[in-house]
Amino acid sequence: QVQLQESGPGLVRPSETLSLTCVVSGGSISSYYWNWIRQPAGKGLEWIGRIYSSGSTNYNPSLKSRVTMSVDTSKNQFSLKLNSVTAADTAVYYCARFGYDILTGYTTLDYWGQGTLVSVSS
Amino acid sequence: DIVMTQTPLSSPVTLGQPASISCRSSQGLVHSDGNTYLSWLQQRPGQPPRLLIYKISNRFSGVPDRFSGSGAGTDFTLKVSRVEAEDVGVYYCMQATQFPYTFGQGTKLEIK
Repeated sequence: QVQLQESGPGLVRPSETLSLTCVVSGGSISSYYWNWIRQPAGKGLEWIGRIYSSGSTNYNPSLKSRVTMSVDTSKNQFSLKLNSVTAADTAVYYCARFGYDILTGYTTLDYWGQGTLVSVSS
Repeated sequence: DIVMTQTPLSSPVTLGQPASISCRSSQGLVHSDGNTYLSWLQQRPGQPPRLLIYKISNRFSGVPDRFSGSGAGTDFTLKVSRVEAEDVGVYYCMQATQFPYTFGQGTKLEIK
């Protein structure tokens, strides 16, 4: 069973860069799209963007100017950087896989990490 | 962006009774590959979202058959045939047809 685990600092200062890593276990990172989603406390879900195992990316236009994603296939992990953070970036950050079924093709966000809370505060 | 609108926002249900949640998209969700990337996620309290249904009506691995999805075009529905205590949580519809992926605001399913 595929498992994802986010890690990174729980506290980031305003104007600095949020950096998170998602380690994938139980399966290969290759040939899949890997996503970041966030959820402020008590609120809904916001898709941040995705990266393919080859490194190609798609970002949410609302965050595009501040987001960078990367992938390290040798370590089976991918990463998120969000710069110039403010209190509005305080949220639980999730990583998730966009699945693929050999019979039906692409599916959706099928496996999710447990999430990591990132607070932006001085 | 495609706006996903769920109704109701709260659904008190008696154990063993059915529940239904609607999701309407601001645009049609048929992708250029012919698929409709509309899915339903369940988020239990304190847990990450969990995939229930993908491409309108396909149950994900391990999801009980009391959960079913239907719909087409811009109108979609998640049904729970007989609500159990473990079904309490917030349910989200999500579209992955067009960037950026977007979610409904969530429907809270609770027991009466």
